[in-house]
Amino acid sequence: AQKITQTQPGMFVQEKEAVTLDCTYDTSDQSYGLFWYKQPSSGEMIFLIYQGSYDEQNATEGRYSLNFQKARKSANLVISASQLGDSAMYFCAMRSYNFNKFYFGSGTKLNVKP
Amino acid sequence: DVKVTQSSRYLVKRTGEKVFLECVQDMDHENMFWYRQDPGLGLRLIYFSYDVKMKEKGDIPEGYSVSREKKERFSLILESASTNQTSMYLCASSLVAGGHNEQFFGPGTRLTVL
Repeated sequence: AQKITQTQPGMFVQEKEAVTLDCTYDTSDQSYGLFWYKQPSSGEMIFLIYQGSYDEQNATEGRYSLNFQKARKSANLVISASQLGDSAMYFCAMRSYNFNKFYFGSGTKLNVKP
Repeated sequence: DVKVTQSSRYLVKRTGEKVFLECVQDMDHENMFWYRQDPGLGLRLIYFSYDVKMKEKGDIPEGYSVSREKKERFSLILESASTNQTSMYLCASSLVAGGHNEQFFGPGTRLTVL
């Protein structure tokens, strides 16, 4: 069975500092993708970054990077130079390449302090 | 621009009413999903559809049914609404399984059942 665990229900970070949001996953599949989504208070889910299980390099998208440690089954999101607009819920998700379903963690609420 | 729309942002219904939530996507995606989101529980999959008239139960299908008569439209039906179905409902779509095929989400429907 697939499972995503986000152990930080809430986090605070000072503006302009970096922050790491934790995500661990459990799967017996060899081919899978890991995704991070941002959900602002308005409710829409915004795709941030993707990491494939066979990708050797950690994914980066602007200020977002994914610290992928396959042996430890972790896919932590790193946000550099936090901005007030980064305050939101963040969800980690996984999808096996062979199946259509996505599995989501319970989310981490990030608050960026001025 | 990729788009998933949902019929209502906010909906208030009474216990026992039949409720229809509609979702439309314009990306020609094969897969469509319905989730409910509750605080601390993340996104839980209710149903998904991988083709017209095809559906599969997710993790919490009880009390819900779905309909997909056209590729672009996926409807969630609450046969007899109950107060424990008060929640945020999110629709999503994606291409078939494999690779970097993220889900695209609608803006969500916040349903209150009185």
